[in-house]
Amino acid sequence: DIQMTQSPSFVSASVGDTVTITCRASHDISNWLAWHQQKPGKAPKLLIHTATTLQSGVPSRFSGSGSGTDFTLTISSLQPEDFATYYCQQADSLHPTFGQGTKVEIQ
Amino acid sequence: EVQLLESGGGWVQPGGSLRLSCAASGFTFTSYAMSWVRQAPGKGLEWVSGITNGVETYYADSVKGRFTISRDNSKNAVYLQMNSLRTEDTAMYHCTKDHTSNNGKLDSFDSWGQGTLVTVSS
Repeated sequence: DIQMTQSPSFVSASVGDTVTITCRASHDISNWLAWHQQKPGKAPKLLIHTATTLQSGVPSRFSGSGSGTDFTLTISSLQPEDFATYYCQQADSLHPTFGQGTKVEIQ
Repeated sequence: EVQLLESGGGWVQPGGSLRLSCAASGFTFTSYAMSWVRQAPGKGLEWVSGITNGVETYYADSVKGRFTISRDNSKNAVYLQMNSLRTEDTAMYHCTKDHTSNNGKLDSFDSWGQGTLVTVSS
């Protein structure tokens, strides 16, 4: 299976900050990369698919970049509702896999 | 609006069985692959199994040979039959819908149900 490695595991940030989360795939996955946001007690929510495409209804302060093995999720001007855990997910193989998650907490 | 409603979770002893169901609405069910993704308490997300709209099935190594995924297009439903359950199968199980229709493969998950909790314990 393709392994997905996220970093950092934990980020402490303030409202208005810019946060960057990286995800590395163990094999080339082209642009088959998604980012999901999960708040405590809630189901995950798709933010970005195919590495850079914002899902409908997701604020433009979220952006994705990368291709091949290295990907980035950037949250510009962090808002109170953005404090959550973020997961990358590869959709290239027949066995989708997730990164271990990055928790974004209020500093 | 896409809705995915899971049911069938509960408590079971190790070695036991459960059948999870997911009722789907708000989209053309026959056009999309569906998957089950689980989350153990306090842990991350783990894809468990998926079924394409062409009914090809795929399983994580951790459940292969024990779990069976199926779909009933007449009922807009997907199922997960779980046999030989282990304590490490304890998790919230989410039903998910693929982002791209008629893709022939598993894709990113653009809709998630709230989940059904499975507890395996003696």
